[in-house]
Amino acid sequence: QKEVEQDPGPLSVPEGAIVSLNCTYSNSAFQYFMWYRQYSRKGPELLMYTYSSGNKEDGRFTAQVDKSSKYISLFIRDSQPSDSATYLCAMDSGGSNYKLTFGKGTLLTVNP
Amino acid sequence: GAVVSQHPSWVICKSGTSVKIECRSLDFQATTMFWYRQFPKQSLMLMATSNEGSKATYEQGVEKDKFLINHASLTLSTLTVTSAHPEDSSFYICSAPARWGLGFYEQYFGPGTRLTVT
Repeated sequence: QKEVEQDPGPLSVPEGAIVSLNCTYSNSAFQYFMWYRQYSRKGPELLMYTYSSGNKEDGRFTAQVDKSSKYISLFIRDSQPSDSATYLCAMDSGGSNYKLTFGKGTLLTVNP
Repeated sequence: GAVVSQHPSWVICKSGTSVKIECRSLDFQATTMFWYRQFPKQSLMLMATSNEGSKATYEQGVEKDKFLINHASLTLSTLTVTSAHPEDSSFYICSAPARWGLGFYEQYFGPGTRLTVT
């Protein structure tokens, strides 16, 4: 079993739809949970990060972490064509090695 | 936010030659940097951890002699692909963590370097 599982999709939705992206993990030591967005042929950029369980909202984006289920989600409301990208979940145990464990990434296309 | 740059953004080389890719942290110091490889429509694969002033730590299955990493200063790490072959063609990305105060760190990624070996 891989440490982080993420459905690679691809996912195609109409503009304005609510998008739900998910990752599951097996390592209970993970404490920091991140979502990165990567446009084609660009480096990833941090979208959201959450410490431990709970919700975090930033504009149209909401990140949820359920440590008891080892499950994290990213919701995108009122999706826009500019949201079309690959979304990668990433996790860290909080140690000093700064090494992130990534999911496979989900390719999202928002159609106008 | 902090910026990580990479140079070149795209390089084409002939099989058998070596290629050097630079990764720079522009407004912060990075004792640690990471090098990733990414194939089309696939996730990031961590290749190695670059440590300033010491040897790099390579992930299992990554050839140390083929992918030479040098972290000569607190703002520069280089990845040299030696004797490149077409199968080395890929998107190479570096990242550097920056910790702000007592808070959690953020991992900043470079824009990537596209290597094409002909």
